[in-house]
Amino acid sequence: GAVVSQHPSWVICKSGTSVKIECRSLDFQATTMFWYRQFPKQSLMLMATSNEGSKATYEQGVEKDKFLINHASLTLSTLTVTSAHPEDSSFYICSGTKGPYEQYFGPGTRLTVT
Amino acid sequence: GQQVMQIPQYQHVQEGEDFTTYCNSSTTLSNIQWYKQRPGGHPVFLIQLVKSGEVKKQKRLTFQFGEAKKNSSLHITATQTTDVGTYFCAGSGNTGKLIFGQGTTLQVKP
Repeated sequence: GAVVSQHPSWVICKSGTSVKIECRSLDFQATTMFWYRQFPKQSLMLMATSNEGSKATYEQGVEKDKFLINHASLTLSTLTVTSAHPEDSSFYICSGTKGPYEQYFGPGTRLTVT
Repeated sequence: GQQVMQIPQYQHVQEGEDFTTYCNSSTTLSNIQWYKQRPGGHPVFLIQLVKSGEVKKQKRLTFQFGEAKKNSSLHITATQTTDVGTYFCAGSGNTGKLIFGQGTTLQVKP
């Protein structure tokens, strides 16, 4: 199989603070990891593409200074939401690929900013 | 940029009825993938279609990829309550990135 974990599964933080979300591929090496956000009853919106050892590629409209992505190894990528605001509250999902096509999704992290 | 449209947004069916969701891309795709997301869960990969005109079946699910590789459909025969969830198509162009459709949420009345 191909299992991806995320930590934490949910987090509540105060406005202005930063939150780090970890994404790990448990039984495979993910050459590429993707970060998505999903608002309630909406689709997944790609935020950034992350390759191990290189800078992430951000989608248009996503602030790279606000959403810091670090892909330190082939099994770990982190997303840090800096100076979080209530409008950043969302479901953040990562995925990893071990081949050219199929993506394996983590269980997601629900972020609530108060 | 590339867009993937999916219809309908919602579908309520009686258990035993068939269900179809359609996906259209603004550009030619290298492949299309289908995912299912249960309420409160994360997307789970169902299938990938690569070839023009490809048809694949998984038990009661039939997936089609159009001849022009710009559209796709998922058909479920004789729905069951376990089919409840949101079905997403996701298209991949030459960049390798997946662009997700809006999803079709299926409700099945027992």
